[in-house]
Amino acid sequence: GAVVSQHPSRVICKSGTSVKIECRSLDFQATTMFWYRQFPKKSLMLMATSNEGSKATYEQGVEKDKFLINHASLTLSTLTVTSAHPEDSSFYICSVNPPGTGGEAFFGQGTRLTVV
Amino acid sequence: GENVEQHPSTLSVQEGDSAVIKCTYSDSASNYFPWYKQELGKGPQLIIDIRSNVGEKKDQRIAVTLNKTAKHFSLHITETQPEDSAVYFCAASMNDYKLSFGAGTTVTVRA
Repeated sequence: GAVVSQHPSRVICKSGTSVKIECRSLDFQATTMFWYRQFPKKSLMLMATSNEGSKATYEQGVEKDKFLINHASLTLSTLTVTSAHPEDSSFYICSVNPPGTGGEAFFGQGTRLTVV
Repeated sequence: GENVEQHPSTLSVQEGDSAVIKCTYSDSASNYFPWYKQELGKGPQLIIDIRSNVGEKKDQRIAVTLNKTAKHFSLHITETQPEDSAVYFCAASMNDYKLSFGAGTTVTVRA
């Protein structure tokens, strides 16, 4: 399957600071990537669709100014959690869909964010 | 939007027995139904998927069935092993590739 690299795997930050999470598609070019959020022992919730060369599309209820998404190249999307608060602590996961697979999604290893 | 429900939330089975997880979906336009296995602290891994033009698919000890009329699909794991212990998620998507996930099932295989 496709290789998706997410970095960092864990990060602890202070309230009020910003944190950037990277998602890289290592073996194919991805015009679209997806960002999900997962609370402990809960399901994955789609946050936004990252579109290469254009603005991200956010799901209802997700603050676009809070969760900045940049898809600057065909292999890299970044999610920046701005002015982080403890309630932003969560597991953030990206996914990509390789071309020709008809929707098959491959996920990164996830980033555990803890805001203290 | 799509709503996916998954049952049971926890499942404990004896090693060697079968495990069955069931999901229902609400939007008849959904046409792709993957199943993911997630281990603690890791991203989900695709274990099997099925599309709306197929009723059943099998891969070694894992099988998935789909009933489009009833809008439900199920995961079957036979001859369970301790390494099958994990959280399993069903999901559904349409042509936009956005995945709607079920709530997850924590499977514990007792040795």
